Amino acid sequence: TQTVSQSDAHVTVFEGDSVELRCNYSYGGSIYLSWYIQHHGRGLQFLLKYYSGNPVVQGVNGFEAEFSKSDSSFHLRKASVHWSDSAVYFCAARRGSALGRLHFGAGTQLIVIP
Amino acid sequence: EAAVTQSPRNKVAVTGGKVTLSCNQTNNHNNMYWYRQDTGHGLRLIHYSYGAGSTEKGDIPDGYKASRPSQENFSLILELATPSQTSVYFCASGDLLGGGEQYFGPGTRLTVL
Repeated sequence: TQTVSQSDAHVTVFEGDSVELRCNYSYGGSIYLSWYIQHHGRGLQFLLKYYSGNPVVQGVNGFEAEFSKSDSSFHLRKASVHWSDSAVYFCAARRGSALGRLHFGAGTQLIVIP
Repeated sequence: EAAVTQSPRNKVAVTGGKVTLSCNQTNNHNNMYWYRQDTGHGLRLIHYSYGAGSTEKGDIPDGYKASRPSQENFSLILELATPSQTSVYFCASGDLLGGGEQYFGPGTRLTVL
């Protein structure tokens, strides 16, 4: 069974704090991993992705994520959050052979207190 | 300018009625997808398509049909709507060999009474 798990349903931080949103996967073989952001009432927007190479990937708006094969993780981080970062964040994965099909985690709602 | 659009944005239907949700993309992507989003379930794949004329079953296809008449358009059809299909539906497009990058529409909120 292929799964993507996001252990935290909600994360609350103050503006200017750093934050890490966790994602773990259970897949074998080659894997693509990505993060999406969903603001309230909107569709999902792509943030960043990883397939190979440097395990730390940079995305938009200061977000980065780090892939760890040993931990089966792809955690998202930001050094200093802004109130506008409040949204739901989804981790997604697909097998290298799956021709575009993504499996999403349940999402983590990030609340940033101004 | 929005590259993936959906219509309608909101829909109220009666049980047993037919509902068609439409999606249009201007990204020239081969792949298109229909998901539903429900609290506690994240996004679940209903149907997807690799190109005009093709449709494939996703993880939860029961009660849904799909149609891909052209590269740009992908419809989701509920022949006999049920209250359990009340949800928010998202369409997305992506490259066939993309690394997981999909582009989403704004969503359609469907309520089946």
